[in-house]
Amino acid sequence: SQQGEEDPQALSIQEGENATMNCSYKTSINNLQWYRQNSGRGLVHLILIRSNEREKHSGRLRVTLDTSKKSSSLLITASRAADTASYFCAPIYNNNDMRFGAGTRLTVKP
Amino acid sequence: EAGVAQSPRYKIIEKRQSVAFWCNPISGHATLYWYQQILGQGPKLLIQFQNNGVVDDSQLPKDRFSAERLKGVDSTLKIQPAKLEDSAVYLCASSAGQGYTGELFFGEGSRLTVL
Repeated sequence: SQQGEEDPQALSIQEGENATMNCSYKTSINNLQWYRQNSGRGLVHLILIRSNEREKHSGRLRVTLDTSKKSSSLLITASRAADTASYFCAPIYNNNDMRFGAGTRLTVKP
Repeated sequence: EAGVAQSPRYKIIEKRQSVAFWCNPISGHATLYWYQQILGQGPKLLIQFQNNGVVDDSQLPKDRFSAERLKGVDSTLKIQPAKLEDSAVYLCASSAGQGYTGELFFGEGSRLTVL
């Protein structure tokens, strides 16, 4: 399968803690995107990291990419209840194909 | 800037009936995507349009699903006849460039329940 595989499937933390989600993929990529989906809503783009980049930041988000291990991680620092959502990684392969994984369901307790 | 518009938001039908979903992408976006998202799973691409041409429909069940994008703007996705397993959220997305070089903008989705 070409899709990204997120880990863990579910994560529950307290407000203020950091949340780390991981994504693994199978073959070479052009770039990798992370999306958030609140319950009953559409997906929202969070960040895009290119294959020649190792780390990217956006506000409280930090994304890393390790192409040698074919993996990426999304770190949310100082989490808030509003961060409760499902998070999906989407590797974009050299054939311009993008597949979403099943996602990580994050619950942040106030 | 207006986002991706979808309608209807909710639809309940009996199996073997037909249903149609409509999507209006962000103005100027060349690429339009339809995804199917079954509860608890990630979105699965059904079809991708570049302007009004089909780029990828390899996962579209063509015996019952059809989609068109007239004049390279809005799009409709039709299911006829519907099966129980078609119960899902149908998400429309658009992007400015070709392929997946940039971010996708998603609509709120159309939730289909087939009884």
